Amino acid sequence: RKEVEQDPGPFNVPEGATVAFNCTYSNSASQSFFWYRQDCRKEPKLLMSVYSSGNEDGRFTAQLNRASQYISLLIRDSKLSDSATYLCVVNNQAGTALIFGKGTTLSVSS
Amino acid sequence: ETGVTQTPRHLVMGMTNKKSLKCEQHLGHNAMYWYKQSAKKPLELMFVYSLEERVENNSVPSRFSPECPNSSHLFLHLHTLQPEDSALYLCASSQDPLTTYEQYFGPGTRLTVT
Repeated sequence: RKEVEQDPGPFNVPEGATVAFNCTYSNSASQSFFWYRQDCRKEPKLLMSVYSSGNEDGRFTAQLNRASQYISLLIRDSKLSDSATYLCVVNNQAGTALIFGKGTTLSVSS
Repeated sequence: ETGVTQTPRHLVMGMTNKKSLKCEQHLGHNAMYWYKQSAKKPLELMFVYSLEERVENNSVPSRFSPECPNSSHLFLHLHTLQPEDSALYLCASSQDPLTTYEQYFGPGTRLTVT
């Protein structure tokens, strides 16, 4: 099983749609979870951290299921500007490094 | 944004050349990182420095040699590279090397080895 696995997509959705991305991770000892966003030919930037109780930031909701080792990101009311690659990120067993997934590409069209 | 800067932004080098990538962070962070991003592959962590000491080295070939002279600067010295080393090299920094902290990335150096 890959350390961090994501559906690469692309997800092509119209403006206003709700879209969900999933991610699984292999290390049951991981304690830190994040979603980063990377625009085309740009550097990754933190979108949000993922907490055990789940958390919401505007149109974005992140959920963590430790038992299933599964993380999700829900985007409501998609905007054209949401088009990007979304990277699922988990820390390693030692807590010394972040492990990135390959990313899920989202394309929002008008 | 000028939190983390990298130079050069693009580099083309032959396999026998020696070059260096430079990274500077203006955020007062204590940890700095080098990552490699190849097409259709996830970001790969190469090196981690905490307060100028290397704390992580992910089995990177010796043709990549990092240097961290102070907590604001990080270099990646390159020599006798291979074509498969062509990639985007990203520098990042964080407040602390603990992975609970957000990492801030620079714009990257796009390296092509011919």
